[in-house]
Amino acid sequence: GAVVSQHPSRVICKSGTSVKIECRSLDFQATTMFWYRQFPKQSLMLMATSNEGSKATYEQGVEKDKFLINHASLTLSTLTVTSAHPEDSSFYICSAWGGNYNEQFFGPGTRLTVL
Amino acid sequence: GQQVMQIPQYQHVQEGEDFTTYCNSSTTLSNIQWYKQRPGGHPVFLIQLVKSGEVKKQKRLTFQFGEAKKNSSLHITATQTTDVGTYFCAGKEDSSYKLIFGSGTRLLVRP
Repeated sequence: GAVVSQHPSRVICKSGTSVKIECRSLDFQATTMFWYRQFPKQSLMLMATSNEGSKATYEQGVEKDKFLINHASLTLSTLTVTSAHPEDSSFYICSAWGGNYNEQFFGPGTRLTVL
Repeated sequence: GQQVMQIPQYQHVQEGEDFTTYCNSSTTLSNIQWYKQRPGGHPVFLIQLVKSGEVKKQKRLTFQFGEAKKNSSLHITATQTTDVGTYFCAGKEDSSYKLIFGSGTRLLVRP
């Protein structure tokens, strides 16, 4: 299957700072990338869907001004958590869909801890 | 909106016992996927079921898709300690490209 990378894998930041997470499809062009959030011992909750070159579509209850998504190319999407607070601490996972594949490929996730 | 429910929430078995997790969708699905997530890891794709009544096997794992394409199950025969993790189903509707994840079943295996 295809490979999706995420960077960084782990980040600790102070409350009020912004954190950028990158999601890259390494060997295929991702028409669509998805961003999920997973709190401890819970399921993956879809936050937003991003298509290359267009604005992201956010799920209900997800603040688009707080979670900025940019999908500037077919291999890169970024999620920026702005003015992070401790309640934003979570595991953020991206997935990518596209090319000749009929499934989503997940990145390894980014564990964000906001102090 | 679409909801995907999964039971049980937890299952603690003795090594060698069988294990089953069940997934139910509030709407008809175009396909259902199953993932395994080890503690501290990310979800890893196991399989996708597309056809009504489809049954697929991967060694000790058997996956079923219901006739109405609204439910699915994953059965593990003779569990091993390496099976430990959380198993998620994820459903996709015809009209959507989104995957909606079930709540997951956490499997613990006693050696």
